[in-house]
Amino acid sequence: EVQLVQSGAEVKKPGESLKISCKGSGYIFTNYWIGWVRQMPGKGLEWMGIIYPGDSDTKYSPSFQGQVTISADKSIRTAYLQWSSLKASDTAMYYCARREGDASGFDYWGQGTLVSVSS
Amino acid sequence: QSVLTQPPSVSGAPGQRVTISCTGSSSNIGAGYDVHWYQQLPGTAPKLLIHGNNNRPSGVPDRFSGSKSGTSASLAITGLQAEDEADYYCQSYDSSLPGEVFGGGTKLTVL
Repeated sequence: EVQLVQSGAEVKKPGESLKISCKGSGYIFTNYWIGWVRQMPGKGLEWMGIIYPGDSDTKYSPSFQGQVTISADKSIRTAYLQWSSLKASDTAMYYCARREGDASGFDYWGQGTLVSVSS
Repeated sequence: QSVLTQPPSVSGAPGQRVTISCTGSSSNIGAGYDVHWYQQLPGTAPKLLIHGNNNRPSGVPDRFSGSKSGTSASLAITGLQAEDEADYYCQSYDSSLPGEVFGGGTKLTVL
């Protein structure tokens, strides 16, 4: 069974760093892209970026380039999303999702990681 | 403002048919990029409903169908059921960004 299991909810202060994770199982991890999607409270889905764990090829949305870093460790089948200095506006639910190729939809999603940033 | 435009809300009575539009431009849907649709039930992660414009993943009822023409796409839901009440999002690729783009989402209310 394909599963993407994300790390738990985080409560942080502005300026702090954070790294959340997404662990894949039930499929060949290096053969699928892992994307990250933000959903701010009461708002829609926003594509942040995507990584191919097979060769670490990474693409970012212009809106998130330089604001976050996406990485993956294929040895432990885990993708990451990290911030070096959080802002209150980073408060949101973050989802990871899998897709096979450039033209494919995201067919499996993680359960989401809620990040709350407040002083 | 989203690159792909969806109506904020649609509604229908049980058993009826509703459609949700997704309007793009020549740099995304109009350029031939595939459109995918997701259903997000309250408090849950999105679920892939339609991929590649009109293909249903295994397990998705045939009440759901997708189409694409020119710079727009549509999701149709027939035989509306109470359990269909959710937010629906379209997604495609935009060559001008470049990158994936989502529509702003449409809230479906079953009356």
